[in-house]
Amino acid sequence: EVQLLESGGGLVQPGGSLRLSCAASGFTFSIYAMAWVRQAPGKGLEWVSGISSSGGDPYYADSVRGRFTISRDNSKNTLYLQINNLRAEDTALYYCAKDSGLATMTVVAFFDYWGQGTLVTVSS
Amino acid sequence: DIQMTQSPSSLSASVGDRVTITCRASRGVNNYLAWYQQKPGKVPNLLIYGASTLQSGVPSRFSGSGSGRDFTLIISSLQPEDVATYYCQKYDSAPLTFGGGTKVEIK
Repeated sequence: EVQLLESGGGLVQPGGSLRLSCAASGFTFSIYAMAWVRQAPGKGLEWVSGISSSGGDPYYADSVRGRFTISRDNSKNTLYLQINNLRAEDTALYYCAKDSGLATMTVVAFFDYWGQGTLVTVSS
Repeated sequence: DIQMTQSPSSLSASVGDRVTITCRASRGVNNYLAWYQQKPGKVPNLLIYGASTLQSGVPSRFSGSGSGRDFTLIISSLQPEDVATYYCQKYDSAPLTFGGGTKVEIK
């Protein structure tokens, strides 16, 4: 059974930093691209970042580029998101999502499994 | 960047009704379009990819169509368990983008 377990969220002041983690199990983590998708309270889904199976080719939404860094450790089956210089508008539930592997034209495409999310709240 | 616009933003329909949700891309995305269902308090669930391919385990009352800029998700006979918000997502290239969502309720 595929499981994605996010952690690392919390309450942080504007300008602060957090490191989110996503522990994966139930599939061969090292052969799938992964992504982070966030959802502000009561709002829609927003793709944040994606990374290839090898850890190269990181991609970012314009809204987070330069502040967020995605990475992965395939030896630990874990995906990370380092988030710096946090703003109030970054407040959201951050989901870890597994790429389906069914699309070949792009590194990260669409997602067949999602974690339960970890909540990031940015407030003074 | 390509923007994805869904309509309507919400709808109310009766059990058994045919429900149609549309998604329009600001530029063509071929058929690189997925649909997700998010039930209240739950995580998103993949319904359709490649604009029209049903994900394994998804009921056949769900169908998708379209290519280029215009896409449609149809629920052929609305069921109570279909109450949810539905999102389209383009994946032709980064940045990946979701539509704003369509909230479906039972009348």
